[in-house]
Amino acid sequence: EVQLVESGGGLVQPGGSLRLSCAASGFTFSSDWMSWIRQAPGKGLEWVASIIPDGSEKYYEDSLKGRFTISRDNAENSLYLHMNSLRTEDTAVYYCTRDFVRRQGYWGQGTLVTVSS
Amino acid sequence: QSALTQPASVSGSPGQSMTISCTGTSSDVGSYNLVSWYQQHPGKAPKLIIYEANKRPSGVSNRFSGSKSGNTASLTISGLQAEDEADYYCCSHAGSATYVFGTGTKVTVL
Repeated sequence: EVQLVESGGGLVQPGGSLRLSCAASGFTFSSDWMSWIRQAPGKGLEWVASIIPDGSEKYYEDSLKGRFTISRDNAENSLYLHMNSLRTEDTAVYYCTRDFVRRQGYWGQGTLVTVSS
Repeated sequence: QSALTQPASVSGSPGQSMTISCTGTSSDVGSYNLVSWYQQHPGKAPKLIIYEANKRPSGVSNRFSGSKSGNTASLTISGLQAEDEADYYCCSHAGSATYVFGTGTKVTVL
């Protein structure tokens, strides 16, 4: 059974940093594209970043480039999102996803990040 | 990248059919077949229901179907059921491995 379990969310002050983690199981993690997608409270979905299977290429939503970094550890079956210079508008549930646009697409349950003073 | 345009809400009675539109541009929906649709119940994670414009993952009801014409993709729900009441989002590849989501549609079953 495919499982994606996010962790690392919480309350952080504006300007702070946070690292989200996603533990994957039930599939060959090293073979799949992985992505982070977020959803602000009461709002729609927003693609954040994607990373190819071997981790050598990464893609970001334009407005987040330079502040967010996606990475993965295929030996640990883990996906990460490093977030710096956080702003109140980054408050959202962050979802870890497996190949979300393909047949095998799957989403974790999400982790809430709240940026507030 | 601007969000794809979806109607904010659609409603229908049980047994009816409804279609949700997703309008983009020639830079996203119009250029790629990588259009997907997601169903999200309140407090839950989204679930993939259509991929590559018109394909259904295994386990998804055949009451859901997708299509695309030009810059507009569509999701049709036939034989509407109470459990279909949820938010629906489209998503399109937008070039260079980037993606854009739709604004979302709230489906209400009367």
